[in-house]
Amino acid sequence: GENVEQHPSTLSVQEGDSAVIKCTYSDSASNYFPWYKQELGKRPQLIIDIRSNVGEKKDQRIAVTLNKTAKHFSLHITETQPEDSAVYFCAPSRGGGSYIPTFGRGTSLIVHP
Amino acid sequence: EPEVTQTPSHQVTQMGQEVILRCVPISNHLYFYWYRQILGQKVEFLVSFYNNEISEKSEIFDDQFSVERPDGSNFTLKIRSTKLEDSAMYFCASNYGIQETQYFGPGTRLLVL
Repeated sequence: GENVEQHPSTLSVQEGDSAVIKCTYSDSASNYFPWYKQELGKRPQLIIDIRSNVGEKKDQRIAVTLNKTAKHFSLHITETQPEDSAVYFCAPSRGGGSYIPTFGRGTSLIVHP
Repeated sequence: EPEVTQTPSHQVTQMGQEVILRCVPISNHLYFYWYRQILGQKVEFLVSFYNNEISEKSEIFDDQFSVERPDGSNFTLKIRSTKLEDSAMYFCASNYGIQETQYFGPGTRLLVL
């Protein structure tokens, strides 16, 4: 099965700084790469995703970059705000009839005011 | 904006008892999923459901688990004889197409005593 690793497990930044979380995966057939944000006690919510035919995607302060050769993709958050504090999960999935995501262990982002 | 809903939000049960967790997916979605998240850990896939049958299931989804779509709106997860280790948050999710974004419900927190 897919082996998914996230780094770092915890990230502490000052408000206004940038944050980068990296996700590595093992299945070269993976072709869909989402990032979910989960606030304490709440549901995972998709914040950005990218498909394998695109190298980078940006949505305001959030961006995702994909390196299919190296099998990793990263979440970039600029101008962090305290409300960005949450656990972030990557969850790549592959094609070929199975689109079940394999979640990483999560990165706890803490943004200090 | 339509949302996936789940009931109950919390359930406490005795070991060995049966529980049924209920989900109402977004109305025009065709694919339905159950995930679980043990406290402080990552989200784990249990089962996917399409066209009134199971599409995929994980090793976690053993004979104690079953899913059903009893009518046009509900999607249920039954645990026949609960164990202590079944204590977790259970999330339902749905999407319209197999490659489309999955939308998660708010979860049911199950506590087995």
